[in-house]
Amino acid sequence: TQLLEQSPQFLSIQEGENLTVYCNSSSVFSSLQWYRQEPGEGPVLLVTVVTGGEVKKLKRLTFQFGDARKDSSLHITAAQPGDTGLYLCAGAGGSYIPTFGRGTSLIVHP
Amino acid sequence: DTGVSQDPRHKITKRGQNVTFRCDPISEHNRLYWYRQTLGQGPEFLTYFQNEAQLEKSRLLSDRFSAERPKGSFSTLEIQRTEQGDSAMYLCASRTSGANTGELFFGEGSRLTVL
Repeated sequence: TQLLEQSPQFLSIQEGENLTVYCNSSSVFSSLQWYRQEPGEGPVLLVTVVTGGEVKKLKRLTFQFGDARKDSSLHITAAQPGDTGLYLCAGAGGSYIPTFGRGTSLIVHP
Repeated sequence: DTGVSQDPRHKITKRGQNVTFRCDPISEHNRLYWYRQTLGQGPEFLTYFQNEAQLEKSRLLSDRFSAERPKGSFSTLEIQRTEQGDSAMYLCASRTSGANTGELFFGEGSRLTVL
């Protein structure tokens, strides 16, 4: 079983602050996805990273895939209340069954 | 452009009753997944289909759970003799088999509350 550990589990910050959340595993993934989920809704895909060392930017969000393809990070610059949500990472190996971490619950206060 | 749709969005039932959830995937997606999510947890894999074939089931899927995708389009997930521990959000997701990057497109989920 491929396990993904996310940290921190909870994050409560003020608008305008920066933050980083982490996704770690002992397994190598062929790709890794980040999703955001709002209460009562399904997860929505933010990004996929595939290549070790890859960095992708989505407006104020920066995603990085570790060189060994075992870990990833999500950095948010100048967080806004609209960034509030549960951030999930998911890894896909050879089984085509994506495995999810427990998520990081982010609250951004105005 | 329609995404993944799930029905019902919410279901409240009494312990011991049977419930059925339906998922309509994105039309060109031949892979369909069911996940379960409880409060404070990430989605946990239950089962997945490629077309009408159920290719894998998690050990989480007890004998009371059954999933079908009879014509390779929509899918149903039935829970028999519900227990309070079945209370969760049941998520359906789909993707194409041609994509090798693991991206899933989720529906809005069906929230089950067992009293």
